[in-house]
Parts: sequence; structure tokens; C-alpha cells
Amino acid sequence: QITLKESGPTLVKPTQTLTLTCTFSGFSLSTTGVGVGWIRQPPGKALECLAVIYWNDDKHYSPSLKSRLTITKDTSKNQVVLTMTNMDPVDTATYYCAHADFWNPYFEHWGQGILVTVSS
Amino acid sequence: EIVLTQSPGTLSLSPGERATLSCRASQSLTSNFLAWYQQKRGQAPRLLIYGASNRATGIPDRFSGSGSGTDFSLTISRLEPEDFAVYYCQQYGGSLYTFGQGTKLEIK
Repeated sequence: QITLKESGPTLVKPTQTLTLTCTFSGFSLSTTGVGVGWIRQPPGKALECLAVIYWNDDKHYSPSLKSRLTITKDTSKNQVVLTMTNMDPVDTATYYCAHADFWNPYFEHWGQGILVTVSS
Repeated sequence: EIVLTQSPGTLSLSPGERATLSCRASQSLTSNFLAWYQQKRGQAPRLLIYGASNRATGIPDRFSGSGSGTDFSLTISRLEPEDFAVYYCQQYGGSLYTFGQGTKLEIK
């Protein structure tokens, strides 16, 4: 059974750096083809894929946010970490992590999400 | 970057009716890497359809997907009360995953 859970701060101040951790079970990021993605959703708005990291450490970022994002993995801990710099109120959103498959590029398994509010 | 445009923005129907949701891509999708998700309020999205027409595990057969190239659709043959939600399409291309803006399916 695949499960994922997001953790991190729920309130950050403008200009601060956000660090979110996705802790997962039921699969390994050392398995060929496996990946983990981060997707966000501002309140009442659509989904946006931020970044994806694969078993071979290949990383892909949203072009519009690439300069602010870093995604890393710790295979031994079954964790993926996303950092986003220079947070702004428009970054207020629910942030999800999800299991990805390199050859079947869909998100079948999702975490519950974490609402991050950016406010002074 | 491929842009997905979903229509209509809101669809008002009654239980038992048939729903057809549209997703149009700004460029032709290679390998039909097109998926549909259902999202209910306060929940994470749920994968319904992948590869344009394949139902994900556990998805009822009243849900079906079709299309190719730039035009895709999700059909719910007979709406159940639990089907009223927001639906998103998603594509993969050029190492990017992008989503449409969503269609809200509401009870008439």
C-alpha cells in the first residue's frame, strides 16, 4: 500500500524560504522508474505541478518557478524535500506530494496535502 | 509549454444524466499522455483515467475517456450523487506535467 504525507510549516512570512518534506511508504525511490512530484493548489484555484524527482536523480521544475525551487531526495529515509525561496502571499496554497512513474506520467497516489499560508 | 483548456467551466446536471467534459490541448499530445482527476472539497485529487481512455484501479465503468491529438473528453454515463465534484485533465510532455483549469460539475 502506497502512502505519502506532507509535513512542514503552515505559516511562513513573506521573503522566507519554505521547506516541505514528503515522507512515503510502499515504494522506494531507488526503484527504476519511480518518482515523487510536488503539486500545489491555491484556494479555489487549479492544480499546478511544481517539481518532480526520479529514481536516477533526474529533476524537472515548473519553468515559471524554477529559479525558486529545489527538490531533493533521501532514499534511505523515504523522503523528498522541496524548498521554495522568497515566499509571497500568492504562494498561499495546499501543497501535495504524489507518487510518479516515469513511463506512466500520472499521479495515482497523493498525500493529504498541507495548507501553507504566507502572511506577515 | 502545452496549455490545457477545459470546458465548460461549470456544468449543471441532475443525478442520472450523462455528463461530457472537454479538454483541449494547445499542441498535439504525444502518446496520448492525458489523464483525468476528480477532486472533492477538502480532498486530494483522485486519478480516474490515464492514457486518455484507461480507467484507473477501482474506478467505476460509468467513467470513460476518449480522444487523441488535441481533443479529449471525459464522459460519466449516468451521474451518481457522489460524482458532483471538480474534474481536472493533466498532460505530460517535454518533461512537464500541466493541468487544465478544471470543470465544476454541480447538481442542477
